[in-house]
Amino acid sequence: DQQVKQNSPSLSVQEGRISILNCDYTNSMFDYFLWYKKYPAEGPTFLISISSIKDKNEDGRFTVFLNKSAKHLSLHIVPSQPGDSAVYFCAATAGNNRKLIWGLGTSLAVNP
Amino acid sequence: DTAVSQTPKYLVTQMGNDKSIKCEQNLGHDTMYWYKQDSKKFLKIMFSYNNKELIINETVPNRFSPKSPDKAHLNLHINSLELGDSAVYFCASSLGVYGNQPQHFGDGTRLSIL
Repeated sequence: DQQVKQNSPSLSVQEGRISILNCDYTNSMFDYFLWYKKYPAEGPTFLISISSIKDKNEDGRFTVFLNKSAKHLSLHIVPSQPGDSAVYFCAATAGNNRKLIWGLGTSLAVNP
Repeated sequence: DTAVSQTPKYLVTQMGNDKSIKCEQNLGHDTMYWYKQDSKKFLKIMFSYNNKELIINETVPNRFSPKSPDKAHLNLHINSLELGDSAVYFCASSLGVYGNQPQHFGDGTRLSIL
């Protein structure tokens, strides 16, 4: 049973446009969410996170939005750049839990 | 000055063999992890150590044995390798034991069983 779902396996956008990557979760105990980015043949790298006490967190071109009632979060990349082409993983954790629960990832292609 | 380094990067071996994967981090973190990414690209935690103590031990066959000689190292030994063990194994580290601490990953070890 997948508690963190990224329903779009892939996404393609034009350079300069907005990329929106979506993530849904089923466990209402999750209270902290992280996004990781992964290039081929490399490990995931931490990108941005959000606590459930917030509904938005911004870091440069990256913004994460959290809608707790819908159990949904999204990562916005504006403007998208070709170097953003990678797999993006959504991950979630609950309270003092020591485990991260990961989604399956969305492969983003930013076309020049 | 790689932060989390795993060796080897590639491992091709026969079914039934025993192999080890090594991981070292120079970030001064106190918690280290082993993840398995299977053919469906699903990242699943296997083990986690905090200051050499095992704190996460998922449902993993006991052919897999982690060892942490110190908090900067976490090795994974696999006995009697099976075809289903083919995957990418990632080592990671973090400061603190909780899931909300960003984890830093190595580049993975690609294990192929013939």
